[in-house]
Amino acid sequence: EPEVTQTPSHQVTQMGQEVILRCVPISNHLYFYWYRQILGQKVEFLVSFYNNEISEKSEIFDDQFSVERPDGSNFTLKIRSTKLEDSAMYFCASSEIGNEQFFGPGTRLTVL
Amino acid sequence: AQKVTQAQTEISVVEKEDVTLDCVYETRDTTYYLFWYKQPPSGELVFLIRRNSFDEQNEISGRYSWNFQKSTSSFNFTITASQVVDSAVYFCALSGPGFGNEKLTFGTGTRLTIIP
Repeated sequence: EPEVTQTPSHQVTQMGQEVILRCVPISNHLYFYWYRQILGQKVEFLVSFYNNEISEKSEIFDDQFSVERPDGSNFTLKIRSTKLEDSAMYFCASSEIGNEQFFGPGTRLTVL
Repeated sequence: AQKVTQAQTEISVVEKEDVTLDCVYETRDTTYYLFWYKQPPSGELVFLIRRNSFDEQNEISGRYSWNFQKSTSSFNFTITASQVVDSAVYFCALSGPGFGNEKLTFGTGTRLTIIP
């Protein structure tokens, strides 16, 4: 069964460093998303991406964040200068037109 | 603005008991979608169900059933004859009318513990 994959599973970084979180969505899906979940809290929407551009972003998704689909399979989230409060689980999701979102296993980001 | 409320923070039941997880939502959209996701201890988010706002039929899938009531803006989830493997955090979520491709607004989740 096709699934969304994410790498790495855990990333530890120093405050101020740049990180890139990688996702491979399900191959025939057209919509891509990033969400985050601070430990013990609810899942929050960051950004959605369709047709090679951002379709919607939340207030969390400020200038420190960017997304890219560098090739036909990967979908990345970059955080330019990480802060302590960026520590969270980051989930990638993808969907077909008119269908539910399927989530990857997540990348746990720890900012020290 | 959309909002999802899961008032039950934690629930514990003894194995084989039935349990209902409550979800109340708010939206101004006339067309919307409701979802349930399961987050087991391993951390991934597992899709369980999607309903659109025009379909108020209750759904049953094995031991799982969902009760959608537009009149009370609720989309409750019942597990019958609970098992230890049902222990997880369960999230209710809502999206707007964009054919279900819009962002998901999640509730705060209900942590369900099944006691053997």
